[in-house]
Amino acid sequence: DGGITQSPKYLFRKEGQNVTLSCEQNLNHDAMYWYRQDPGQGLRLIYYSQIVNDFQKGDIAEGYSVSREKKESFPLTVTSAQKNPTAFYLCASSIVIQREFNNEQFFGPGTRLTVL
Amino acid sequence: GENVEQHPSTLSVQEGDSAVIKCTYSDSASNYFPWYKQELGKGPQLIIDIRSNVGEKKDQRIAVTLNKTAKHFSLHITETQPEDSAVYFCAARGGSQGNLIFGKGTKLSVKP
Repeated sequence: DGGITQSPKYLFRKEGQNVTLSCEQNLNHDAMYWYRQDPGQGLRLIYYSQIVNDFQKGDIAEGYSVSREKKESFPLTVTSAQKNPTAFYLCASSIVIQREFNNEQFFGPGTRLTVL
Repeated sequence: GENVEQHPSTLSVQEGDSAVIKCTYSDSASNYFPWYKQELGKGPQLIIDIRSNVGEKKDQRIAVTLNKTAKHFSLHITETQPEDSAVYFCAARGGSQGNLIFGKGTKLSVKP
């Protein structure tokens, strides 16, 4: 089965702890993304990566960090500096990002993070 | 940068009726407009998309229209069914990097 997997589905964290969310894709896509979803807020872009070893900040990158050491993996770390981390986190991928090309994004099933 | 507004935020229809969701965008250079359906607790799934060189696209009960002059696009669902109940997001591809900018979503409820 081709697609995007995210783990875990539910994650609980104590305040002050860092936590890493996993995202893996076997679609051979170059581009990967992390979004945060809050009720009534839609999807907001945290970080994106166009290619291995490269990533860019999105609209709400503060308190988050990412790495892209492998094409198929794009883990997101929610650090203790993120003031309000409780949310639903979605990972996505697309063939490329550039405006001139198809940019259909495929989403994973999401991880719901709750800070206790 | 690009800004996408989506209306209404909630929509309730009777089974068999039509549903229309509208979005406006600000960047006249945006060239790709997808619509996603998100069921509770799941990730969004692409249901239809349209590119700026096309005015309308249809796929069975779903259609999307684009008015580039007015910078708005709409999702039309005909003969709605209870399984159409979900949150729908529009998006526009804008910005120098070509990232998608999403609307805030419309919660559609189809009553049997």
